[in-house]
Amino acid sequence: EVQLVESGGGLVQPGGSLRLSCAASEFTFSSHAMTWVRQAPGQGLEWVSSISANGDTTYYADSVKGRVTISRDNSKNTLYLQMNRLRVDDTAVYYCAMPGGTGNYHWDYFDYWGQGTLVTVSS
Amino acid sequence: EIVLTQSPVTLSLSPGERATLSCRASQSVSNFLAWYQQKPGQAPRLIIYNASSRATGIPARFSGSGSGTDFTLTISSLEPEDFAVYYCQQRINWPRTFGQGTKVEIK
Repeated sequence: EVQLVESGGGLVQPGGSLRLSCAASEFTFSSHAMTWVRQAPGQGLEWVSSISANGDTTYYADSVKGRVTISRDNSKNTLYLQMNRLRVDDTAVYYCAMPGGTGNYHWDYFDYWGQGTLVTVSS
Repeated sequence: EIVLTQSPVTLSLSPGERATLSCRASQSVSNFLAWYQQKPGQAPRLIIYNASSRATGIPARFSGSGSGTDFTLTISSLEPEDFAVYYCQQRINWPRTFGQGTKVEIK
């Protein structure tokens, strides 16, 4: 069974940094494009960033562009989200998600989701 | 950016009733639209993709329709486990966008 397990969330002050991780197992991680989606408390879903299966192509939401970097280590089956210059409105549960289909640029819907990790930005 | 507008914001219905949820796109997304269900404290779950195809394991009471800019998710007869928030999402353009959600609550 596909497993996606996020970690790295926590409390950070405005202007601080955090690196989120998503550990993948029970599937061929290097064959899937991956995505981060976030959800502020009591709010809806917001797409944050996506990366191709081999990591050569990335996309970012305007709200995080220039402050956030998505990356992956296919040898470690892990997806990352480096977040810098954090703002109060970055407070959210961050999910990693992926399509069920494979392909370097298989930018499909999100069949699988992790349980999320909470990032709280507050002084 | 493609804006997805869902209506209504809240739908109050009883078990056994029919639920009709709407998602309108600010420009055509062809049929590249999905619906997700989210229950409190849980990750979203894909229920409909490409506007009208049910995802694996989704009961037949869920159906999707539409193309272009207007889409509908229908739950033919609500079961207790269907009360949740539903989001639409487009994948024709970057950035990927979600609607703001429709909460289906027990009347």
